[in-house]
Parts: sequence; structure tokens; C-alpha cells
Amino acid sequence: DTAVSQTPKYLVTQMGNDKSIKCEQNLGHDTMYWYKQDSKKFLKIMFSYNNKELIINETVPNRFSPKSPDKAHLNLHINSLELGDSAVYFCASSQLAGVMTEQYFGPGTRLTVT
Amino acid sequence: QQQVKQSPQSLIVQKGGISIINCAYENTAFDYFPWYQQFPGKGPALLIAIRPDVSEKKEGRFTISFNKSAKQFSLHIMDSQPGDSATYFCAASIGNTGFQKLVFGTGTRLLVSP
Repeated sequence: DTAVSQTPKYLVTQMGNDKSIKCEQNLGHDTMYWYKQDSKKFLKIMFSYNNKELIINETVPNRFSPKSPDKAHLNLHINSLELGDSAVYFCASSQLAGVMTEQYFGPGTRLTVT
Repeated sequence: QQQVKQSPQSLIVQKGGISIINCAYENTAFDYFPWYQQFPGKGPALLIAIRPDVSEKKEGRFTISFNKSAKQFSLHIMDSQPGDSATYFCAASIGNTGFQKLVFGTGTRLLVSP
């Protein structure tokens, strides 16, 4: 019944490693997003995909690469992890790419880089 | 110009009281203003949203008041309950891009004491 799911829920890794976070939605939505929430709870969009095409790409280091194999999945791959990448990463989805549409968030993945 | 300023950072309200959270923006191109509620360990969830062509929207105990000329909007929680204790985020997005890119406020941690 989970609408937007993410794996893993917790990820602890060392600097320099490469890691991936997976996201899946079973809502039939066309648009998916990745957000980063820092230690002060500030929530900022990173990427958005609509029908597997990248539509929003914020100023994010190119060590971060989203991949959308199909409409229901949007994965986030992070290369050469740095301490500053520690945060909670949220995946979200929405039915339409338009303005007034509810975004449904996943439970988050807490990434800790040591 | 893309910022949404939110205050207060934290708020303690007695059960049954009124919680008020304020947000302000600069970019007059913003035309959709949602509020999201986030419980600890969970992803944000849409609470209520408003377009700037109305001055107030009410859903149960939650009301958004919108002042277009002042570029401010606020969330009022009437008869606040301990279950309302959460972090609240205001947000804004621009419609003319065709895609929803939410800019979030910094969040308000609300604690409703029994």
C-alpha cells in the first residue's frame, strides 16, 4: 500500500564511496522529484523528472546523477561522497507536472557520510 | 527573490489555543502557496494550499490567510491539539514554467502542550 517508497531508509558510508538510493511510486504519477533536507530541516529540490525526462535540475554537484528507468522509478546515484552530503533525501511524486498539484513524499533516506 | 521567509522557527502553544505561522515572499510570479506538515521520521505531506486570487481558505481547523499586496500568507491552526505537533513548511511555486518547482520556507517546529 506504500505510495512512495525509498530504499534504504538509512545509509552510512565513508567519504569517497559511491552510493545509490532507490525510489518507487505506485500512484501512477508522471512526475517524480528528489529533495535534500539538511540538518536544519531546510528542504530543497534537486531534480525532477516527467515521463522519464529531466525537467528540473537545480544547482547540484554533478556527483549527483538521477536515473529514471521508467515512470514509476527515480533513483539517485551519488559519486565520491563528501561529508556535506549528509542529509535526509526525499523522493516525491505528483500526478501532473503543472503548478497546483500535490506532491507525495516518501519516508526519506538518512545518509550519513563519515 | 526565490526565497520564502518563514517565522517563527519554533512555536509552543497550549492545547486548544491558536497556532499562527507566517510566511513572506518577494517574487510576485509565485502563484501557488501550499503548506506541508512533517512528522518526525516521515516525509512532508500536503496540508492545505491556496492560489493568490483568494484571501482565505479553510479546511477543518486549518486556515490559510493570504495578503497579496503585502506578499504574505499565514497558517492558522484553531483548537490546536497535541497531535498537531510537527514541523510545518510553507512553500511557493511559479506557474508559467509549466512544471511545479516548490520553494520551501525554513520550517516551523510546532509543539502543542497537553
